[in-house]
Amino acid sequence: QQPVQSPQAVILREGEDAVINCSSSKALYSVHWYRQKHGEAPVFLMILLKGGEQKGHEKISASFNEKKQQSSLYLTASQLSYSGTYFCGTERVSSGTYKYIFGTGTRLKVLA
Amino acid sequence: NAGVTQTPKFRILKIGQSMTLQCTQDMNHNYMYWYRQDPGMGLKLIYYSVGAGITDKGEVPNGYNVSRSTTEDFPLRLELAAPSQTSVYFCASSREKLFFGSGTQLSVL
Repeated sequence: QQPVQSPQAVILREGEDAVINCSSSKALYSVHWYRQKHGEAPVFLMILLKGGEQKGHEKISASFNEKKQQSSLYLTASQLSYSGTYFCGTERVSSGTYKYIFGTGTRLKVLA
Repeated sequence: NAGVTQTPKFRILKIGQSMTLQCTQDMNHNYMYWYRQDPGMGLKLIYYSVGAGITDKGEVPNGYNVSRSTTEDFPLRLELAAPSQTSVYFCASSREKLFFGSGTQLSVL
């Protein structure tokens, strides 16, 4: 079962902030965040490996709450280049191997 | 390094035809994946492989087959193409993070 993201879509003005949430019904051992521009492949943003760990990338950061099985992505002072669809991703153990699945996605549009 | 290379970039199939989507990586990654992405939707895992000779089903495997004879190559086979398989297909390999190919846009008419 894939992680659920909220909101499904968000529209911002340049300079505004946004938070994207990723919630799982199963245990999360690590969380990855990716951004996908229209017509392109997803691009890796960051990985969170430990519960509570926060990572940063430019003005984009994330947190990971292992107990709540949730991760949040924080976009501050948004820029036009932040537009795209954001996916969280995680590994699921299956038959002793790891399969990698993605969340439902959040479409972000930044307006000038 | 070329990374992950997918071919073809675009393809139109008729209902009932078959085809193979090619995927090659030059990073010596053990894990490789195939995803499909329907318009405006998320990425669904079709099949994955943890190394040469080992493959397993993902979330949406029906209508597809894979093989992994070498570490580098992970082709995806569509048998008896159906309109429901119209999608963008991404191949990826991973070590700590996923590296994606540029995608194959497939239409089944």
